[in-house]
Amino acid sequence: DQQVKQNSPSLSVQEGRISILNCDYTNSMFDYFLWYKKYPAEGPTFLISISSIKDKNEDGRFTVFLNKSAKHLSLHIVPSQPGDSAVYFCAGSPSNTGNQFYFGTGTSLTVIP
Amino acid sequence: DGGITQSPKYLFRKEGQNVTLSCEQNLNHDAMYWYRQDPGQGLRLIYYSQIVNDFQKGDIAEGYSVSREKKESFPLTVTSAQKNPTAFYLCASSKPMETQYFGPGTRLLVL
Repeated sequence: DQQVKQNSPSLSVQEGRISILNCDYTNSMFDYFLWYKKYPAEGPTFLISISSIKDKNEDGRFTVFLNKSAKHLSLHIVPSQPGDSAVYFCAGSPSNTGNQFYFGTGTSLTVIP
Repeated sequence: DGGITQSPKYLFRKEGQNVTLSCEQNLNHDAMYWYRQDPGQGLRLIYYSQIVNDFQKGDIAEGYSVSREKKESFPLTVTSAQKNPTAFYLCASSKPMETQYFGPGTRLLVL
């Protein structure tokens, strides 16, 4: 049973525009979320996190928004750059399982120059 | 230079053979994890360890075994009982309740 879902397998965006990647979760106990970027045949690279006590976290071009009532989070990349082309995974962790994270299936972002 | 290393980058397994994937970290992290990634799928947790000499099964532990004799090392053995071992294997580590950091991965192929 997939507890974290990324329903868009792929997304294409023009360079300079905003990329919005979405993620939904089903477990109301999730209180900490991560976004990772992954290139083929490499390990994921941590991008940004958010805890449930906040509804927004910003780091440079990357902003994550959390809507707890909708069990939804999104990653905004502004402006998008060709180097952002990769697969993006979101992950959530429930507070009662130590540090076990559940990952979504990923969204492949292509930024078109 | 702190980080997580995985070896080998590619590993070939023959029918009925056990193979071991190495994961080492020098980040002084207590927790370590093994994930499996299949094409078009997310990362699925195989095993994790919060502390030396202790580990727990993840969602897909069948056909795998681990040990945690040292804080820095968390090797994963893919046993002959794992009938579909071809995948990309990722090791991660973290401080308790904090962000996980990943190694570069090992691709396992069956001959």
